[in-house]
Amino acid sequence: DAKTTQPTSMDCAEGRAANLPCNHSTISGNEYVYWYRQIHSQGPQYIIHGLKNNETNEMASLIITEDRKSSTLILPHATLRDTAVYYCIVSRLSNAGNMLTFGGGTRLMVKP
Amino acid sequence: DVKVTQSSRYLVKRTGEKVFLECVQDMDHENMFWYRQDPGLGLRLIYFSYDVKMKEKGDIPEGYSVSREKKERFSLILESASTNQTSMYLCASRKRGAVGTQYFGPGTRLTVL
Repeated sequence: DAKTTQPTSMDCAEGRAANLPCNHSTISGNEYVYWYRQIHSQGPQYIIHGLKNNETNEMASLIITEDRKSSTLILPHATLRDTAVYYCIVSRLSNAGNMLTFGGGTRLMVKP
Repeated sequence: DVKVTQSSRYLVKRTGEKVFLECVQDMDHENMFWYRQDPGLGLRLIYFSYDVKMKEKGDIPEGYSVSREKKERFSLILESASTNQTSMYLCASRKRGAVGTQYFGPGTRLTVL
């Protein structure tokens, strides 16, 4: 299974873009990159996913390098409510479809 | 909105007790999952189910069993609780398909004394 490497923690000023990096150098061709976040005392929340192309939704943008060995999640205008642990996940296939293996994640602190 | 509910937010049990953690989802999802979350270890998959009465072991199934008698309900069972099973337990569900969002419940914090 492909593993991911993320910084343990990051700070970001409120209103600025938060760029969260993730390395997944052993990713296979059919594996997706997912991002989830977990706000304190809540279950993880889906943010975005991608295979090869860059993706954008109402929450964030996902930039995947051409070789797919790394990606960056971008929160364009971080708010205090974006303070959370962000998980970069590379999926693996099973009978239930894509399975998610959560690592340690990046603790993002958005500061006023 | 998808809703995944778990029977308790907090639970305290004694060593050796049989513990049932219940999870219910209201979106007719085929796939359901049980994870545990511990500091420094992230979320680890215990068991998952891809259909009624179907189950597969995840990464850490030892000491646990599961039951899926109805599509909307997925139960995690600790046959004889031990102190090393003190943890946050998270349930999730997802519609069948190769690519799909997992929706998580709020979690149950279980303490085994």
